[in-house]
Amino acid sequence: AQSVSQHNHHVILSEAASLELGCNYSYGGTVNLFWYVQYPGQHLQLLLKYFSGDPLVKGIKGFEAEFIKSKFSFNLRKPSVQWSDTAEYFCAVNAPAFNKFYFGSGTKLNVKP
Amino acid sequence: DGGITQSPKYLFRKEGQNVTLSCEQNLNHDAMYWYRQDPGQGLRLIYYSQIVNDFQKGDIAEGYSVSREKKESFPLTVTSAQKNPTAFYLCASSIDRASGAYNEQFFGPGTRLTVL
Repeated sequence: AQSVSQHNHHVILSEAASLELGCNYSYGGTVNLFWYVQYPGQHLQLLLKYFSGDPLVKGIKGFEAEFIKSKFSFNLRKPSVQWSDTAEYFCAVNAPAFNKFYFGSGTKLNVKP
Repeated sequence: DGGITQSPKYLFRKEGQNVTLSCEQNLNHDAMYWYRQDPGQGLRLIYYSQIVNDFQKGDIAEGYSVSREKKESFPLTVTSAQKNPTAFYLCASSIDRASGAYNEQFFGPGTRLTVL
């Protein structure tokens, strides 16, 4: 089975701090990569996705992620976080070779005002 | 208003009882999925279905059953054989990959099941 690793389980930041959440996956073939966010009490929703092309992907709310194929990584970044970014963030992978998604264990982000 | 609905939002069950969680989508998606979310474990796939009348086991299918009689509906039954059923259950759907469209999954609001 494939695996997706999110090494930061709980991150606490002050407003305006920069954010980087790590995501590594194990599959060596062509992949599609996703970051989902789950705000308190809300649906899981898509933050951004990478299918092909420019490895630097921009998503909603100022988030971006960089796909580094040689490192099997897809880290999420935001230059300046806000209190409203407090949420749980999930990295996910799927691929043409397998017909399901693999999710990381999630990172809880707490932004202090 | 397109989307995925799950009902009920909260569900309580006595030990030894089967319970069925509802999932309906009006996105015209072919594929539907059930996940279980536990703290610190992310989302784990229970069952998925890419087409009506067909479904496959995911990583943690034991103690669960599903049906896919209609494209828009994918109910999940948590049976008494599931040893630790208290969890948050998420349903999702996506365009079938066979269509050539790249998939992203759309999620419902979830059902929190508590076994008393």
